[in-house]
Amino acid sequence: AQSVTQLDSHVSVSEGTPVLLRCNYSSSYSPSLFWYVQHPNKGLQLLLKYTSAATLVKGINGFEAEFKKSETSFHLTKPSAHMSDAAEYFCVVSDRNTNAGKSTFGDGTTLTVKP
Amino acid sequence: EAGVAQSPRYKIIEKRQSVAFWCNPISGHATLYWYQQILGQGPKLLIQFQNNGVVDDSQLPKDRFSAERLKGVDSTLKIQPAKLEDSAVYLCASSPGQLFYGYTFGSGTRLTVV
Repeated sequence: AQSVTQLDSHVSVSEGTPVLLRCNYSSSYSPSLFWYVQHPNKGLQLLLKYTSAATLVKGINGFEAEFKKSETSFHLTKPSAHMSDAAEYFCVVSDRNTNAGKSTFGDGTTLTVKP
Repeated sequence: EAGVAQSPRYKIIEKRQSVAFWCNPISGHATLYWYQQILGQGPKLLIQFQNNGVVDDSQLPKDRFSAERLKGVDSTLKIQPAKLEDSAVYLCASSPGQLFYGYTFGSGTRLTVV
């Protein structure tokens, strides 16, 4: 069984300050982990993914995430927030051992960026 | 490359009516998924196809929902009869076949049942 918990339903930051969106996961197998972003009335876009290579993963738009097995975490960070980062963010866990394996989404974190 | 196409973008129906959604995945993508996203929640998998076969439909309410994937390409998701709680965004996604690549999502169909 697998699950993912996004620890904050809402995060508010000022433009130019760091962003931290927290994600903890539970998986019986070797997990793949993903972060997706969803802007209003748009589809989900892949930000970055961890699939067993480097534990620090760099994604698009300056985002990165670090896989910490001992903490079962995959937190998303960005050094400096931009107004365009305001969106919904989803952490996703998947069983890497299964072909096109089943994925579980977190409930999302809404990021607000204040000017 | 073209993305995942979905139609319609919006649909409003009365409860007990039927509705169908269409999805055209990225060319060559073997795996197709339908997700339901209720407001304020993360997407929930309804059904997963590998080519034209069903891999996982354990969370599909089969008394009212049905889905098919024609010739392993396009897919339709149908609800009959609709209930108020079916109001949600229905997302289609595709992947080459290995989750390693992640999904590519369509823009979704927003269904409102009144």
